[in-house]
Amino acid sequence: SQQGEEDPQALSIQEGENATMNCSYKTSINNLQWYRQNSGRGLVHLILIRSNEREKHSGRLRVTLDTSKKSSSLLITASRAADTASYFCATARNTGGFKTIFGAGTRLFVKA
Amino acid sequence: GAGVSQSPSNKVTEKGKDVELRCDPISGHTALYWYRQSLGQGLEFLIYFQGNSAPDKSGLPSDRFSAERTGGSVSTLTIQRTQQEDSAVYLCASSARSRQGLNDNSPLHFGNGTRLTVT
Repeated sequence: SQQGEEDPQALSIQEGENATMNCSYKTSINNLQWYRQNSGRGLVHLILIRSNEREKHSGRLRVTLDTSKKSSSLLITASRAADTASYFCATARNTGGFKTIFGAGTRLFVKA
Repeated sequence: GAGVSQSPSNKVTEKGKDVELRCDPISGHTALYWYRQSLGQGLEFLIYFQGNSAPDKSGLPSDRFSAERTGGSVSTLTIQRTQQEDSAVYLCASSARSRQGLNDNSPLHFGNGTRLTVT
């Protein structure tokens, strides 16, 4: 089974509102990453948070990580219609390499 | 610079035929991944290459699936005797992650995928 699980599965909001997506995982990790995917094609890396970090910011993105609860959240502030996409969390753990496993994703729809 | 390149972008094949999917990673990237994504679903891990180490094949769904990485660069994913359930987008990603055991936090860079349709 996949390592990460996101919720909600789908989220619809108005432009200007904040969007929060959550991710839970099962095992210890080295880092957690968030990716964005448009139109079912290649994913684009958004932000990476290391296991010893608790919060990280990048522009309108804010990621938190709680290793005790094995969970992370991605907050997109002041959302725009162009933020409409699928968002995936991915975890990497050192198993002799750094295999990266993805969750099922959250489909975000921002209405103009 | 050039990103990860996958070919073909689309492939339609008849059930029972073999297919080869190609991935050209970013130059110098030592790690290479293959994932499979069915419509509206998440990414299913297939196989992971890291440098000269033995690949992690734990995600390959059956022995009809195999992958090679020649010279530490280009990779080919081969599906033999394709079945309709193999229809999906196959995504390749590379990363600058270095040797095993090092705490390396390089992100993955994805190609645009190959959409495989088995009729």
